[in-house]
Parts: sequence; structure tokens; C-alpha cells
Amino acid sequence: DARVTQTPRHKVTEMGQEVTMRCQPILGHNTVFWYRQTMMQGLELLAYFRNRAPLDDSGMPKDRFSAEMPDATLATLKIQPSEPRDSAVYFCASGNRISYEQYFGPGTRLTVT
Amino acid sequence: KQEVTQIPAALSVPEGENLVLNCSFTDSAIYNLQWFRQDPGKGLTSLLLIQSSQREQTSGRLNASLDKSSGRSTLYIAASQPGDSATYLCAVTGTGGFKTIFGAGTRLFVKA
Repeated sequence: DARVTQTPRHKVTEMGQEVTMRCQPILGHNTVFWYRQTMMQGLELLAYFRNRAPLDDSGMPKDRFSAEMPDATLATLKIQPSEPRDSAVYFCASGNRISYEQYFGPGTRLTVT
Repeated sequence: KQEVTQIPAALSVPEGENLVLNCSFTDSAIYNLQWFRQDPGKGLTSLLLIQSSQREQTSGRLNASLDKSSGRSTLYIAASQPGDSATYLCAVTGTGGFKTIFGAGTRLFVKA
């Protein structure tokens, strides 16, 4: 049963600390998406990759967020320095290379105090 | 800029009712539209995917339709059950770069 995996599932950190979230897309999928979900804003697209190349990261605060795909089995989202307003659930999704149907991971619940 | 709206924001129905959830979008240049279900505190589960060239898709008690020209999609749930209680989200992926925009969701509660 192919699934998107994300680590860690929960993260509590203090303001100013670096946070790294990891995602393993479904094998064979060629697109990876990072989303953030909050009660106020709903689901927002932060960045996405196709064939490991970043296509659009206009949804990310550039000064503190960065997203990379060092290889086809790993996508990372980093926040440095973290702020309380970054508290949210961060989802990774991978997309089927033909239909672009998206499959979501379980999310990382981030709390910045 | 694509905007996706879902109506109603919340819905409460008795068990057994057939119901329709609505999704509208402003830019018809879409690659596909996908319906998801999200249970409280959980991730998103894909329900149905409709490609831009398709008019509808069916899975079990669910049927989703797409009318690109009017910028609308509907999710029809037949014979609703308490287990259908969740938030339903529609997501539109555009043709220019495959950017995906989500609606705010419809929170459904099915009473036993």
C-alpha cells in the first residue's frame, strides 16, 4: 500500500529555532507539493516540485522558508528562524505523473512557542 | 488568479438523505479537479479526480460532476451515513504550471 510519509508527526519548538520537516513521496510520482493548513487560512500551497525541480514557491515567506528535493525519495521544508505564526499543520502531497492526482501524507503538526 | 469557493460552509442532514456539495472556480483553464475528505485532526483522503476533459466520475455512493464552462463542480453523496461526517474539500489544478488551489471546505454532519 503506497503512501506518502512525513516526519516528524508532531514538533514543538521555541521561537527562533530551526525546523526541518521531511516527506517521502510515493515511488514513481514526479510531483511533490507542500501545503500549510490553519483554521484561519485553510489549505495554502507553499511550494511544489516536478521531477525534483522547483516550479513555484511563491506561497512561501522567502526570508525564512526553504524547500528542497535532494533526491527523488526525499523532500524537505525548512523554517529558520521559526515564529509563533508558523504554527500550523504542514502537509506534503505527491502527484501521479500522468493524472496529477494528489495523495497526501499525514501531516506535521508544528507548534512554535 | 484562481479562486475556489465551496457552498455551503456547513451542512447537517439526517441519515439516509441524498445531498449535494458545491464547488465553484473562477478560471476555467484547469487541468483537473479533485475532491477530498478530511476527518478531524487527520490528513486528506482523495475521493474523486475529474480531468478537464471529463464530465463526471463515480465511486460507490459518490458522484462528482464538472462543468468547466460555468466553473462548477458538484459532489453528490447518495444515502448519507454517519460515517460520511467529515470536511469535504475541492481542489483545482490549473494548466499553467499545475498550481493547485483549495476551497475552504464544506463541513458535513450526518445525524443517526
